[in-house]
Amino acid sequence: DVKVTQSSRYLVKRTGEKVFLECVQDMDHENMFWYRQDPGLGLRLIYFSYDVKMKEKGDIPEGYSVSREKKERFSLILESASTNQTSMYLCASSLSRVNTEAFFGQGTRLTVV
Amino acid sequence: GDSVTQMEGPVTLSEEAFLTINCTYTATGYPSLFWYVQYPGEGLQLLLKATKADDKGSNKGFEATYRKETTSFHLEKGSVQVSDSAVYFCALSDQNNQAGTALIFGKGTTLSVSS
Repeated sequence: DVKVTQSSRYLVKRTGEKVFLECVQDMDHENMFWYRQDPGLGLRLIYFSYDVKMKEKGDIPEGYSVSREKKERFSLILESASTNQTSMYLCASSLSRVNTEAFFGQGTRLTVV
Repeated sequence: GDSVTQMEGPVTLSEEAFLTINCTYTATGYPSLFWYVQYPGEGLQLLLKATKADDKGSNKGFEATYRKETTSFHLEKGSVQVSDSAVYFCALSDQNNQAGTALIFGKGTTLSVSS
């Protein structure tokens, strides 16, 4: 089974802190994604990556950056956390451009105070 | 751009009732279509998928048929159980979209089933 693991289930950070959310997948998938999930808004794509060191902006990249130095790891960085970034963050991966079925991690509930 | 629209919730049903959750899409190419389910406190799991027109995806008693003529992928189940209570997301990916192959999701429909 494909496993996508996010480093934390719950995080509480202070406004202005730099926050790192880590995600690791174990099935050699090419694509990795970061979404945020908010009530009434569904899942919105923040960034995705289709190869090592490659990244593409999603629908809501402002205030975020990403890093993919190794194929299995995709990090989401909040440069200066703000209260409006309090949300559930979901990492996902998919095999290729042709096989786009996505596998999700369990999510990180981030609260910025 | 590509988008997914699914019916607003919450949907409240009694056990053994028939379920339909409507989903329609807009896409420039030939998308693959998915239904994902999210149980309380968990991430999303793939429920079923269809990759071309007239395909029927099915799993755990749920079904959805890819209808290109109506751009729809409605989710159905003949007899729901309390354990089906969850949030259901319709999604698409468009491999012909040069922007990439990220899934685009609807806003989700909450299903609550009572015994």
